[in-house]
Amino acid sequence: DVKVTQSSRYLVKRTGEKVFLECVQDMDHENMFWYRQDPGLGLRLIYFSYDVKMKEKGDIPEGYSVSREKKERFSLILESASTNQTSMYLCASSLWSGWGGTYEQYFGPGTRLTVT
Amino acid sequence: ELKVEQNPLFLSMQEGKNYTIYCNYSTTSDRLYWYRQDPGKSLESLFVLLSNGAVKQEGRLMASLDTKARLSTLHITAAVHDLSATYFCAVDYALTSNFGNEKLTFGTGTRLTIIP
Repeated sequence: DVKVTQSSRYLVKRTGEKVFLECVQDMDHENMFWYRQDPGLGLRLIYFSYDVKMKEKGDIPEGYSVSREKKERFSLILESASTNQTSMYLCASSLWSGWGGTYEQYFGPGTRLTVT
Repeated sequence: ELKVEQNPLFLSMQEGKNYTIYCNYSTTSDRLYWYRQDPGKSLESLFVLLSNGAVKQEGRLMASLDTKARLSTLHITAAVHDLSATYFCAVDYALTSNFGNEKLTFGTGTRLTIIP
Protein backbone atom coordinates (compact mmCIF):
# COMPACT_ATOMS: atom_id res chain seq x y z
CA ASP A 1 0.00 0.00 0.00
CA VAL A 2 1.08 3.53 -0.73
CA LYS A 3 1.78 5.43 2.40
CA VAL A 4 1.90 9.19 2.62
CA THR A 5 2.69 10.64 6.02
CA GLN A 6 2.62 14.20 7.29
CA SER A 7 4.67 15.45 10.20
CA SER A 8 1.83 16.80 12.33
CA ARG A 9 -1.91 16.26 12.53
CA TYR A 10 -2.53 19.50 14.42
CA LEU A 11 -0.39 22.61 14.61
CA VAL A 12 -0.93 25.98 16.28
CA LYS A 13 1.35 28.85 15.33
CA ARG A 14 1.45 32.58 15.90
CA THR A 15 1.17 35.24 13.22
CA GLY A 16 4.56 35.96 11.67
CA GLU A 17 6.14 32.62 12.57
CA LYS A 18 7.87 30.53 9.93
CA VAL A 19 6.07 27.21 9.59
CA PHE A 20 7.31 23.98 8.07
CA LEU A 21 4.96 21.19 7.02
CA GLU A 22 6.65 17.95 6.05
CA CYS A 23 5.36 15.18 3.81
CA VAL A 24 6.99 11.81 3.13
CA GLN A 25 5.88 9.08 0.72
CA ASP A 26 7.28 5.57 0.60
CA MET A 27 6.36 4.44 -2.92
CA ASP A 28 8.99 6.14 -5.05
CA HIS A 29 6.44 8.45 -6.67
CA GLU A 30 7.74 11.19 -8.94
CA ASN A 31 4.94 13.68 -8.36
CA MET A 32 4.10 15.30 -5.05
CA PHE A 33 1.52 17.95 -4.26
CA TRP A 34 0.43 20.33 -1.53
CA TYR A 35 -3.22 21.37 -1.22
CA ARG A 36 -5.19 23.37 1.22
CA GLN A 37 -8.78 22.51 1.99
CA ASP A 38 -11.29 25.06 3.18
CA PRO A 39 -15.06 24.65 3.66
CA GLY A 40 -16.97 25.44 0.50
CA LEU A 41 -13.81 25.77 -1.58
CA GLY A 42 -12.79 22.15 -2.00
CA LEU A 43 -9.11 21.40 -2.48
CA ARG A 44 -6.88 24.03 -3.99
CA LEU A 45 -3.40 23.28 -5.27
CA ILE A 46 -0.61 25.33 -3.70
CA TYR A 47 2.52 23.83 -5.25
CA PHE A 48 3.57 20.62 -6.85
CA SER A 49 6.82 18.90 -7.77
CA TYR A 50 7.46 16.33 -10.46
CA ASP A 51 11.08 15.67 -9.62
CA VAL A 52 13.72 16.33 -7.03
CA LYS A 53 14.57 20.05 -6.82
CA MET A 54 11.75 20.83 -9.26
CA LYS A 55 8.69 22.83 -8.26
CA GLU A 56 5.74 24.39 -10.00
CA LYS A 57 3.20 26.89 -8.73
CA GLY A 58 -0.35 25.73 -8.38
CA ASP A 59 -3.46 27.87 -8.15
CA ILE A 60 -2.70 29.66 -4.87
CA PRO A 61 1.07 29.84 -4.27
CA GLU A 62 1.16 33.28 -2.67
CA GLY A 63 2.58 33.22 0.85
CA TYR A 64 4.01 29.71 0.44
CA SER A 65 7.20 28.10 -0.76
CA VAL A 66 8.29 24.49 -1.11
CA SER A 67 11.39 22.35 -1.00
CA ARG A 68 12.10 18.96 -2.46
CA GLU A 69 15.64 17.84 -1.76
CA LYS A 70 14.87 14.12 -1.81
CA LYS A 71 12.40 12.20 -3.93
CA GLU A 72 10.39 10.94 -0.98
CA ARG A 73 10.08 14.24 0.88
CA PHE A 74 8.19 17.44 -0.01
CA SER A 75 8.07 20.35 2.40
CA LEU A 76 5.66 23.27 2.47
CA ILE A 77 6.94 26.47 4.05
CA LEU A 78 4.90 29.40 5.28
CA GLU A 79 7.49 32.15 5.41
CA SER A 80 5.45 34.39 7.71
CA ALA A 81 2.23 32.76 8.84
CA SER A 82 -0.94 34.79 8.72
CA THR A 83 -4.42 34.10 10.08
CA ASN A 84 -5.80 33.58 6.58
CA GLN A 85 -3.52 30.57 6.25
CA THR A 86 -5.48 28.74 8.94
CA SER A 87 -6.62 25.66 7.05
CA MET A 88 -6.32 21.91 6.53
CA TYR A 89 -3.21 21.11 4.49
CA LEU A 90 -3.11 17.89 2.51
CA CYS A 91 -0.10 16.33 0.84
CA ALA A 92 -0.44 13.87 -2.02
CA SER A 93 1.76 11.85 -4.34
CA SER A 94 1.22 10.15 -7.68
CA LEU A 95 2.96 7.87 -10.10
CA TRP A 96 2.50 7.98 -13.83
CA SER A 97 1.24 4.51 -14.66
CA GLY A 98 2.06 4.60 -18.36
CA TRP A 99 0.16 5.31 -21.57
CA GLY A 100 -3.55 4.99 -20.96
CA GLY A 101 -2.87 5.02 -17.26
CA THR A 102 -3.75 7.36 -14.48
CA TYR A 103 -2.37 10.02 -12.21
CA GLU A 104 -4.30 8.74 -9.25
CA GLN A 105 -3.19 10.69 -6.22
CA TYR A 106 -2.67 9.22 -2.78
CA PHE A 107 -3.23 11.53 0.13
CA GLY A 108 -1.68 11.92 3.54
CA PRO A 109 -3.78 12.31 6.71
CA GLY A 110 -3.64 16.11 6.63
CA THR A 111 -2.35 18.80 8.98
CA ARG A 112 -4.84 21.15 10.55
CA LEU A 113 -2.97 24.41 10.99
CA THR A 114 -4.30 27.22 13.16
CA VAL A 115 -2.57 30.59 13.04
CA THR A 116 -3.46 32.90 15.93
CA GLU B 1 -9.02 27.45 -16.72
CA LEU B 2 -10.55 24.11 -15.86
CA LYS B 3 -13.63 24.31 -13.67
CA VAL B 4 -15.21 21.34 -11.93
CA GLU B 5 -18.68 21.71 -10.47
CA GLN B 6 -20.50 19.26 -8.27
CA ASN B 7 -24.10 19.23 -7.27
CA PRO B 8 -25.67 19.08 -4.91
CA LEU B 9 -23.25 20.50 -2.36
CA PHE B 10 -25.23 19.02 0.50
CA LEU B 11 -27.41 15.96 0.41
CA SER B 12 -29.42 14.49 3.22
CA MET B 13 -31.18 11.26 2.43
CA GLN B 14 -32.87 8.42 4.20
CA GLU B 15 -31.47 4.95 4.41
CA GLY B 16 -32.65 2.70 1.63
CA LYS B 17 -33.13 5.49 -0.92
CA ASN B 18 -31.29 6.01 -4.20
CA TYR B 19 -29.61 9.21 -5.28
CA THR B 20 -27.10 10.62 -7.75
CA ILE B 21 -24.29 13.14 -7.37
CA TYR B 22 -23.30 15.04 -10.51
CA CYS B 23 -19.89 16.28 -11.58
CA ASN B 24 -19.55 18.64 -14.56
CA TYR B 25 -16.26 19.88 -15.89
CA SER B 26 -15.37 22.56 -18.39
CA THR B 27 -12.63 21.18 -20.61
CA THR B 28 -11.72 18.00 -22.42
CA SER B 29 -10.36 15.25 -20.23
CA ASP B 30 -10.52 11.49 -20.44
CA ARG B 31 -9.77 10.79 -16.82
CA LEU B 32 -11.97 11.44 -13.86
CA TYR B 33 -11.53 10.42 -10.23
CA TRP B 34 -13.90 10.05 -7.31
CA TYR B 35 -12.69 10.35 -3.73
CA ARG B 36 -14.34 9.95 -0.38
CA GLN B 37 -13.48 11.92 2.76
CA ASP B 38 -14.74 11.05 6.23
CA PRO B 39 -14.91 13.86 8.81
CA GLY B 40 -11.45 14.76 10.06
CA LYS B 41 -9.83 12.26 7.75
CA SER B 42 -7.96 12.43 4.47
CA LEU B 43 -9.16 11.55 0.98
CA GLU B 44 -9.58 7.95 -0.07
CA SER B 45 -9.70 6.97 -3.73
CA LEU B 46 -12.97 5.36 -4.81
CA PHE B 47 -12.96 5.17 -8.59
CA VAL B 48 -10.77 6.04 -11.55
CA LEU B 49 -12.68 6.44 -14.84
CA LEU B 50 -10.41 6.37 -17.86
CA SER B 51 -12.58 6.65 -20.94
CA ASN B 52 -15.92 7.67 -22.34
CA GLY B 53 -18.63 5.32 -21.21
CA ALA B 54 -16.57 3.92 -18.35
CA VAL B 55 -18.64 2.51 -15.52
CA LYS B 56 -17.31 1.22 -12.23
CA GLN B 57 -19.15 -0.23 -9.25
CA GLU B 58 -18.17 -0.97 -5.71
CA GLY B 59 -20.89 -2.10 -3.35
CA ARG B 60 -23.69 0.45 -3.33
CA LEU B 61 -21.72 3.03 -5.31
CA MET B 62 -21.57 3.21 -9.09
CA ALA B 63 -19.66 5.84 -11.08
CA SER B 64 -19.93 6.62 -14.78
CA LEU B 65 -18.26 8.97 -17.23
CA ASP B 66 -19.58 10.72 -20.34
CA THR B 67 -16.66 12.65 -21.80
CA LYS B 68 -18.75 14.16 -24.59
CA ALA B 69 -21.13 15.72 -22.09
CA ARG B 70 -18.22 16.39 -19.70
CA LEU B 71 -20.26 14.75 -16.98
CA SER B 72 -19.66 12.08 -14.39
CA THR B 73 -22.22 10.67 -11.99
CA LEU B 74 -21.90 8.85 -8.69
CA HIS B 75 -25.00 6.83 -8.01
CA ILE B 76 -25.87 5.57 -4.55
CA THR B 77 -28.18 2.59 -4.33
CA ALA B 78 -30.15 1.76 -1.18
CA ALA B 79 -28.08 4.09 0.98
CA VAL B 80 -26.77 2.95 4.35
CA HIS B 81 -25.46 5.10 7.19
CA ASP B 82 -21.80 4.25 6.68
CA LEU B 83 -21.88 5.95 3.28
CA SER B 84 -22.16 9.29 5.06
CA ALA B 85 -19.10 11.28 3.96
CA THR B 86 -18.00 14.04 1.62
CA TYR B 87 -17.48 12.94 -1.97
CA PHE B 88 -15.18 14.74 -4.37
CA CYS B 89 -14.74 14.38 -8.08
CA ALA B 90 -11.50 15.47 -9.74
CA VAL B 91 -10.39 15.90 -13.34
CA ASP B 92 -6.81 15.90 -14.58
CA TYR B 93 -4.96 17.78 -17.27
CA ALA B 94 -1.33 18.45 -18.13
CA LEU B 95 0.34 21.27 -16.26
CA THR B 96 3.45 21.48 -18.36
CA SER B 97 4.58 20.32 -21.76
CA ASN B 98 6.47 17.45 -20.13
CA PHE B 99 4.17 14.51 -20.39
CA GLY B 100 3.61 13.03 -17.00
CA ASN B 101 3.26 16.30 -15.12
CA GLU B 102 -0.44 16.46 -14.60
CA LYS B 103 -2.54 17.81 -11.81
CA LEU B 104 -6.05 17.25 -10.57
CA THR B 105 -8.68 19.92 -10.26
CA PHE B 106 -11.23 19.07 -7.61
CA GLY B 107 -14.88 19.89 -7.30
CA THR B 108 -16.08 21.54 -4.10
CA GLY B 109 -17.41 18.27 -2.76
CA THR B 110 -20.82 16.88 -1.87
CA ARG B 111 -21.49 16.32 1.81
CA LEU B 112 -23.73 13.29 2.04
CA THR B 113 -25.64 12.52 5.23
CA ILE B 114 -27.62 9.31 5.48
CA ILE B 115 -30.40 9.44 8.03
CA PRO B 116 -31.51 6.17 9.66
